[in-house]
Amino acid sequence: DVKVTQSSRYLVKRTGEKVFLECVQDMDHENMFWYRQDPGLGLRLIYFSYDVKMKEKGDIPEGYSVSREKKERFSLILESASTNQTSMYLCASSLPFPRGGYTFGSGTRLTVV
Amino acid sequence: AQTVTQSQPEMSVQEAETVTLSCTYDTSESNYYLFWYKQPPSRQMILVIRQEAYKQQNATENRFSVNFQKAAKSFSLKISDSQLGDTAMYFCAFMKHAGNNDMRFGAGTRLTVKP
Repeated sequence: DVKVTQSSRYLVKRTGEKVFLECVQDMDHENMFWYRQDPGLGLRLIYFSYDVKMKEKGDIPEGYSVSREKKERFSLILESASTNQTSMYLCASSLPFPRGGYTFGSGTRLTVV
Repeated sequence: AQTVTQSQPEMSVQEAETVTLSCTYDTSESNYYLFWYKQPPSRQMILVIRQEAYKQQNATENRFSVNFQKAAKSFSLKISDSQLGDTAMYFCAFMKHAGNNDMRFGAGTRLTVKP
């Protein structure tokens, strides 16, 4: 069963902390994506990567960075967590379209206090 | 930039009846893909149906079908014979045909199927 695994289902962090959200896929997918999901706003793209060490900004990259040192792992980094980054974070991966659709992880609900 | 609009934040339907969820989008692209995703309380996003813009025929998947109106930039989802398990958030999404496979989503519609 193919999977996208997000390291934590729930996470609570303090304001100012450096936060790492990890995403691992076992499907040898080239593309990986980070979205945040907020009520009334849907899913908004933060960053994506179409190859190892490559990254592209999405629509809301401010306050975030990413790392993709290995093909299977895509990390989202909150350099200095703030309360407005409290959200659900979803990771996804895919083959280059139309060869494959997105496979999503189950999400990490992050609360910054 | 592409935008996707879902104007119905919440909808409800009786079991076994039919419901239609609306989606409009804005793009200058001529070729693209459109999707409907379902997110049940488990939070796992599930692809319901997809449509390729250059195909005039509306996509169908069992009880799910779309009404794709390219000129109007409209992409509605019809669910027939609604079941309790259809209760979920539904997201409409857009992807350019020539791009990095990044997808843009609407704000979502929360559908409740009532027994």
